[in-house]
Amino acid sequence: SAVISQKPSRDICQRGTSLTIQCQVDSQVTMMFWYRQQPGQSLTLIATANQGSEATYESGFVIDKFPISRPNLTFSTLTVSNMSPEDSSIYLCSALTGRTAGELFFGEGSRLTVL
Amino acid sequence: DAKTTQPNSMESNEEEPVHLPCNHSTISGTDYIHWYRQLPSQGPEYVIHGLTSNVNNRMASLAIAEDRKSSTLILHRATLRDAAVYYCILRDFNTDKLIFGTGTRLQVFP
Repeated sequence: SAVISQKPSRDICQRGTSLTIQCQVDSQVTMMFWYRQQPGQSLTLIATANQGSEATYESGFVIDKFPISRPNLTFSTLTVSNMSPEDSSIYLCSALTGRTAGELFFGEGSRLTVL
Repeated sequence: DAKTTQPNSMESNEEEPVHLPCNHSTISGTDYIHWYRQLPSQGPEYVIHGLTSNVNNRMASLAIAEDRKSSTLILHRATLRDAAVYYCILRDFNTDKLIFGTGTRLQVFP
């Protein structure tokens, strides 16, 4: 199993600023992903955080807006850049402990409100 | 990415069985069928997954159609704590990505 901690759990930000969300896993994991969940909606995959290389982004998400780092097997960051009110959302980090393991673990999420 | 179709909402009474359906007609041979649920104000949690055979665990059972184009999550005795949004997802074997659909909101009444 894996326990995922995200910081901050919530924040209120000003338009035009950037915020970095940290994701720490208590064990080494093979894959890490970042999702966004807007109020009342399902989860949307932003990107796969690749260890030691550039993240792989889904359609509609770009590195300039959502730079992601993954320096090692237990830690990743997601930055939301030049924020606008449309970026107000919950951002969730998730991790897989192995290719054959079925379970994707999720953090509790970081709730961002952009004014 | 393959997609799934689920009813938007379902209702159940406490201690009754619940059958949550999912259609995935475009499933490929290497896609695993996953179910997750999300309780209010929490991140999603794993429920069960399978490939071809029916699966049972302490939380639920997963019944997979012979052609794999549909599946059913079975909660044997619903409790109030089972009220959540249940997501049926196809996991891409090559990328390990899970693409969430709209899910089914389950309400459980006492």
